[in-house]
Order: sequence, then C-alpha cells, then structure tokens
Amino acid sequence: DIQVTQSPSSLSASVGDRVTITCRASRNIIKYLHWYQQKPGKAPKLLIYGASSLQSAVPSRFSGSGSGTDFTLTISSLQSEDFATYYCQQTYSVPYTFGQGTNLEVE
Amino acid sequence: QVQLQESGPGLVKPSETLSLTCTVSGDSFSSGNYYWSWIRQPAGKGLEWIGRIFTSGSTNYNPSLSSRLTISVDTSKNQFSLKLSSVTAADTAVYYCAREPFRGSHLSESDSWGQGTLVTVSS
Repeated sequence: DIQVTQSPSSLSASVGDRVTITCRASRNIIKYLHWYQQKPGKAPKLLIYGASSLQSAVPSRFSGSGSGTDFTLTISSLQSEDFATYYCQQTYSVPYTFGQGTNLEVE
Repeated sequence: QVQLQESGPGLVKPSETLSLTCTVSGDSFSSGNYYWSWIRQPAGKGLEWIGRIFTSGSTNYNPSLSSRLTISVDTSKNQFSLKLSSVTAADTAVYYCAREPFRGSHLSESDSWGQGTLVTVSS
C-alpha cells in the first residue's frame, strides 16, 4: 500500500492567517492527490483534486500544489468556517489511502 | 445535483454480517461516468477506503478487507450495497458511500458523499 503522511497532525491559527498543510507519499503518485475538509459530525468535502484543481464552489483561498511525493494545501487567509480537520488521499493505486488528518484549531 | 443516502442496521452482533445500502438520486448513477465507493471512519480516527464498484459490476477492494467484503450494484433501483462478514468490534465505524468520477485514469477523487451511518458491532 502507498502510505500518505500528513503534517502537522494539529495546527493552531487565527482568522486571517496563511496556513499550509503537507502530505508526503511513500512513492511517486504523480499528481493523484486530493484534499478534503471535514467538520465534526459531517461527511468530508472535496476541496482540491489532482493536486491543484479547485473543486467547483470551493473558495479560491484554498489552493493545492505539488507532484511526485510532496504536496501542499494552502489556505491564503483563514476564515472562521475553515476550522476543521483536513485529509489528503492518494488514488494512484488501490487501495486508496488517506493521510491521518490535520486538525486546524483556533489559536 | 446528486444525493447519496446510506441505510442499514445500526447495530450488528460480532461474527455476523454487516449490510448497508446506498441509494443514489440524480441522473448520474447508470451513466457510466462514475465509480461508487464505500469509506469508513472509526470514532475519532481517520478515513479508510473500503472499495468501489462500477455500474458494470466491476469491483476494486481494499486487500485488508477483501476476504470478508462484497460490494454489489442494483442499477434498477439506483443502489449499491456493502456486505462485510465476520465482523468484530474493530469494524465499528461511520460508513460513508461516495462517488468517484471515472476518467480512465488514476484521477478518482470522491466528489460527492452520503451523510454517513454509524454501525456498532456489539453483542
């Protein structure tokens, strides 16, 4: 299985901050890395697919970059509704695997 | 706008079979443009991809579950189902159904999700 390691596992930030979360895959997954946001008691929501493509209706303050084994999710100016848990997922090979999550909290 | 809804028992006894159904509304189910998948999440933990099915019946399973897992599809009802046999407490989780676009490539994100259903394995 391809392992996907997210960092940090938790992060404290304030409204207006620029936030970066990273994912590292255990081998080359080209660009097949996606980012999700999950709020308590809710299903995950797709933010970014294919490493850098913004899902429809997702605010432009979210962006993704990277290729190969190293990927980044950036929130350019944190809003109150962005405090949540974020997951990355690789779909280069089955079984698809997720990172362990990053809990973004209010500082 | 597609909607997915999980249904099934919320309590299953150890060693028995967990059965869930996902009902899909909207016109995308039989279009041949999507995979239909299951993902689970134990309380307070991360996400685990279980497996998926194409409307042709072709499946991909997580090898860690494949010996106990069956995913099937009923296109006449716009439904797909999960059966997981010989369950233990470790199978207690929120189970989500989801949709993955089919592009003939590895680009297969989960772009729509059901709300999730909690299944507890306990006697």
